[in-house]
Amino acid sequence: DVVMTQSPLSLPVTLGQSASISCRSSQSLVHSDGNTFLHWFQQRPGQSPRRLLYKVSIRDSGVPDRFSGSGSGTDFTLKISRVEAEDVGVYYCMQGSHGPWTFGQGTKVEIK
Amino acid sequence: EVQLVESGGDLVQPGGSLRLSCVVSGFTINNNWMSWVRQAPGKGLEWVATIKQDGSEKYYMDSVKGRFTISRDNAKNSLYLQMNGLRAEDTAVYYCAREQLRNPWGQGTPVTVSS
Repeated sequence: DVVMTQSPLSLPVTLGQSASISCRSSQSLVHSDGNTFLHWFQQRPGQSPRRLLYKVSIRDSGVPDRFSGSGSGTDFTLKISRVEAEDVGVYYCMQGSHGPWTFGQGTKVEIK
Repeated sequence: EVQLVESGGDLVQPGGSLRLSCVVSGFTINNNWMSWVRQAPGKGLEWVATIKQDGSEKYYMDSVKGRFTISRDNAKNSLYLQMNGLRAEDTAVYYCAREQLRNPWGQGTPVTVSS
């Protein structure tokens, strides 16, 4: 199985500052069709998860452009620019390139 | 408006069975792969199972193989998860989602396995 490793696991941030979360996979996430199925999810306290970005860097509908994704192969990053109070929650990366689909452990973002 | 509504979760004894349902509105599931994902209390997300549009391909996480069965009824725009031989470690909120876990997700249905 592909192991997804996120860091840090806890991320205190100052409002208005930027935050970055790293996600590394144990093998390349390039699918045989050429796509890289690396996605990012946000789970606010008490809510269901929602997908923020898919295929590394494409924002889902309604996601602010403060959220951006980058990376390739085995190394990926989620960046939150100008952190707002509503960004508090747990962020997960997930790979859908190789079965079984696997998630990172989650990174808890909180306001300092 | 797209909605996924999960139901069927309950408190069940170890070894028991449950059937979860996910009723979809706002799009027709017959064009979509569909999946179940779960989240144990205080833990992270875990993919459980996925089914192809016509039901001809099904994939499961190792720990549920032989115990859980994913199925779908495209005419009813619904997804199901039959869970047999339930264990304490299956305790979680179960979510359904389409394709590569595209939005929106439902509110989830809680399953508790305990004596």
